[in-house]
Amino acid sequence: DAGVIQSPRHEVTEMGQEVTLRCKPISGHDYLFWYRQTMMRGLELLIYFNNNVPIDDSGMPEDRFSAKMPNASFSTLKIQPSEPRDSAVYFCASSWTSGDTGELFFGEGSRLTVL
Amino acid sequence: QKEVEQNSGPLSVPEGAIASLNCTYSDRGSQSFFWYRQYSGKSPELIMFIYSNGDKEDGRFTAQLNKASQYVSLLIRDSQPSDSATYLCAVGFDNYGQNFVFGPGTRLSVLP
Repeated sequence: DAGVIQSPRHEVTEMGQEVTLRCKPISGHDYLFWYRQTMMRGLELLIYFNNNVPIDDSGMPEDRFSAKMPNASFSTLKIQPSEPRDSAVYFCASSWTSGDTGELFFGEGSRLTVL
Repeated sequence: QKEVEQNSGPLSVPEGAIASLNCTYSDRGSQSFFWYRQYSGKSPELIMFIYSNGDKEDGRFTAQLNKASQYVSLLIRDSQPSDSATYLCAVGFDNYGQNFVFGPGTRLSVLP
């Protein structure tokens, strides 16, 4: 399997612009997670889905952030409008219920810079 | 609020020494405990998980869990320069550990 695939790997945008990050989880995984990592706050859970349904979005910072999972093989995280404080590395991760370790498989991340 | 704390670091050890990384958590109901390693500019990868009190060994790595003290640690024996990375403690709050909270991480440097 190719692992969790994220795009874009790097995004530089100006304040106020819309940003869309994309994720393809590992086939067969039924959980999908969006994390944000910064030096100041570490790795923070934004939202996670189970079988395409959002389970916990309490980590989404504000209404500017939204996430969707229209099917089992695709998810998006959208920021509109973007602000400089949104600059971070955004990781998508997936896992599956039947796995005996609870291991999260992370994508390579999307590094976002908002100027 | 579920919190996970780790040594602030950075932690420097000489090659061949034992590196000891510590983690405490706030929720007594926590079910599962994980150590992830993250190299600079890369994504986290799982190196150990533990669910029961006691020690769990895997090669040079030993995870130790004490639920009464709400404490989990990772020992790395015979540390190698390739072990230099940030180590993230993650705690799961349900039976399948699908709701995770990560600690801030401890940066480890193994000096040749």
